[in-house]
Amino acid sequence: DGGITQSPKYLFRKEGQNVTLSCEQNLNHDAMYWYRQDPGQGLRLIYYSQIVNDFQKGDIAEGYSVSREKKESFPLTVTSAQKNPTAFYLCASSIAGAAFEKLFFGSGTQLSVL
Amino acid sequence: AQTVTQSQPEMSVQEAETVTLSCTYDTSESNYYLFWYKQPPSRQMILVIRQEAYKQQNATENRFSVNFQKAAKSFSLKISDSQLGDTAMYFCAFMNPSRSGYALNFGKGTSLLVTP
Repeated sequence: DGGITQSPKYLFRKEGQNVTLSCEQNLNHDAMYWYRQDPGQGLRLIYYSQIVNDFQKGDIAEGYSVSREKKESFPLTVTSAQKNPTAFYLCASSIAGAAFEKLFFGSGTQLSVL
Repeated sequence: AQTVTQSQPEMSVQEAETVTLSCTYDTSESNYYLFWYKQPPSRQMILVIRQEAYKQQNATENRFSVNFQKAAKSFSLKISDSQLGDTAMYFCAFMNPSRSGYALNFGKGTSLLVTP
C-alpha cells in the first residue's frame, strides 16, 4: 500500500546536537511538506518542496534544514540553532499543483530534548 | 498573510447530538480552498471535508457538513449524530494556490470530546 513513513517515532536530542527526521513516500507525489505541531498552536509550516532539488522556507524555518535529492525522500534536520525543538513533527505529501487534493500525512515524530 | 482562527479551544457534546465548530479566516484572495482535518488520539491526520471557495453549495460528507459564508469569511463544521469515535482535535485549514506551494495554513484547533 502507498503511504508516507516517518521515522523514528520518538527521538531525543542532546544540547548542541543536530538530529535528522526521516520522511519517505511511495505515492509518487512531487510535493512534500514539513509541519511542526505544538500544544495549542496547531500545525505550522517549516519547509516545503514542489520538486526534486528545490525547496522553500515556510513560516518557521529558522533552526531547520532540509534536502530533496530524491522524489521519495524529504529529510528534516533540526539543528543546534533551534533552541526549542521539543514538538511533534509531521511530514506530508500531495500531488503538485493540485489545489483541491488532500494532503497525505505520516504518523509523525515526537522530538524531545534530554 | 492569511490567518485562520478557531475561537473554541475545547468543546463537548453528547453522543447522538449535533455540534458545530467555528472557523474564520482572513484573506484578500478570491481563489482559495478550505479544509477540515481531524486528529484523533493516535495523532494521525485525517481529512474530514473540503470546500472550494468558488462553489456556493456547502460540502457534505455523511454526518459532516460545512456552513461556508464567503462574505463573512466563515467556514464552520457541523457534526450530526455525534459518535464516540469523533473525539479528536479538529483543525480548520486554508490554502491559497498562489502561496507557499499549495501548503495548508492551519488554525490552532478545537478539541472535541464526545461523551456517552
